[in-house]
Amino acid sequence: DTGVSQNPRHKITKRGQNVTFRCDPISEHNRLYWYRQTLGQGPEFLTYFQNEAQLEKSRLLSDRFSAERPKGSFSTLEIQRTEQGDSAMYLCASSLGYWYTFGSGTRLTVV
Amino acid sequence: QQQVKQSPQSLIVQKGGISIINCAYENTAFDYFPWYQQFPGKGPALLIAIRPDVSEKKEGRFTISFNKSAKQFSLHIMDSQPGDSATYFCAGEETSGSRLTFGEGTQLTVNP
Repeated sequence: DTGVSQNPRHKITKRGQNVTFRCDPISEHNRLYWYRQTLGQGPEFLTYFQNEAQLEKSRLLSDRFSAERPKGSFSTLEIQRTEQGDSAMYLCASSLGYWYTFGSGTRLTVV
Repeated sequence: QQQVKQSPQSLIVQKGGISIINCAYENTAFDYFPWYQQFPGKGPALLIAIRPDVSEKKEGRFTISFNKSAKQFSLHIMDSQPGDSATYFCAGEETSGSRLTFGEGTQLTVNP
């Protein structure tokens, strides 16, 4: 287990299409987070899970966004009916206590 | 509401110099203040962190100075190296394992 793994690394999609990203956290970590980062900005919180329970969602997470973490292991983030404003880096992180580990992200480009 | 303000936006330092990045926060419920380093195409990586009951923490060339009354904290990088060239983010966290609130980032360039 070498860290947080995110797939795909890059995704180009047409506006209006649905996309799904996957995150595999560090196995010992019980919390999993999704953040979004646009160019030149700090990551913005989207949602997080403790085990399989989704504990908090940001108001940034519109109805087109849904995240799941079945069985408390990997997580998926789905964006429906993508818009150009969804273009960003989507970062996943896992933690045990205060110690966060981020993945390398999935860069989404909506054309 | 921007809860963590970071400055400068960009910083150029000569090799061997001191890099200083400042952050100010509004949320007094924050009880953990990490700094992250991010290279292009990578996710942020934890560099150093401090709790508000401590005024300074040093790890190697990296030092955090914390001023609770002013609600400010800063990162000092001593003997800056070209390999330190990256984007640095400060952040605040309310409780263990809760959300991180990041600053806007500082792009550091260390010239050889």
